[in-house]
Amino acid sequence: NAGVTQTPKFQVLKTGQSMTLQCAQDMNHNSMYWYRQDPGMGLRLIYYSASEGTTDKGEVPNGYNVSRLNKREFSLRLESAAPSQTSVYFCASRASTLGEKLFFGSGTQLSVL
Amino acid sequence: RKEVEQDPGPFNVPEGATVAFNCTYSNSASQSFFWYRQDCRKEPKLLMSVYSSGNEDGRFTAQLNRASQYISLLIRDSKLSDSATYLCVVNPSGGSYIPTFGRGTSLIVHP
Repeated sequence: NAGVTQTPKFQVLKTGQSMTLQCAQDMNHNSMYWYRQDPGMGLRLIYYSASEGTTDKGEVPNGYNVSRLNKREFSLRLESAAPSQTSVYFCASRASTLGEKLFFGSGTQLSVL
Repeated sequence: RKEVEQDPGPFNVPEGATVAFNCTYSNSASQSFFWYRQDCRKEPKLLMSVYSSGNEDGRFTAQLNRASQYISLLIRDSKLSDSATYLCVVNPSGGSYIPTFGRGTSLIVHP
């Protein structure tokens, strides 16, 4: 099992460019999450998908969109990147809504110039 | 008050020392609790779950105090390789799908 696979690992964008971060899990998990992590801020939830076909906003959704393409895949899109979106992004998944641990992808380091 | 609070540290300890971290949570109905370890620029990885009766995994001991709403992590005989950030994670109840993270406690173990 690969677990949670996240691509790309690194990306540099210019302000205004768009891009999609891809995330896939092979553990048949229901719930998937996108976090960003900035120095001193901890992990902040951008969007989540409790189950296939549903998505909801987290703590910091502005400037992002998501798609739960199927049970395996949950993508994060930046339509018009801004320097404030420079961060490390983590995708995570877990089996069910209660009592289950999270599994994380290896992260995407994004710089917006 | 933040939902999950941790002392950011850093805790700077010599090899072989015993060190303990606490994490407080505000939702008394929270159901499950975890400690994650995060190395610099890497993804968080599960260190251990925290059970009501307390649990131990080698040099690591986790405890839950529901009355006072905190969990703790004790590391005995610290190793250089224990240097990392330790994240407390709380799963709320009531159908919430969102696990709540503390900001993490930084541990530096020096020779």
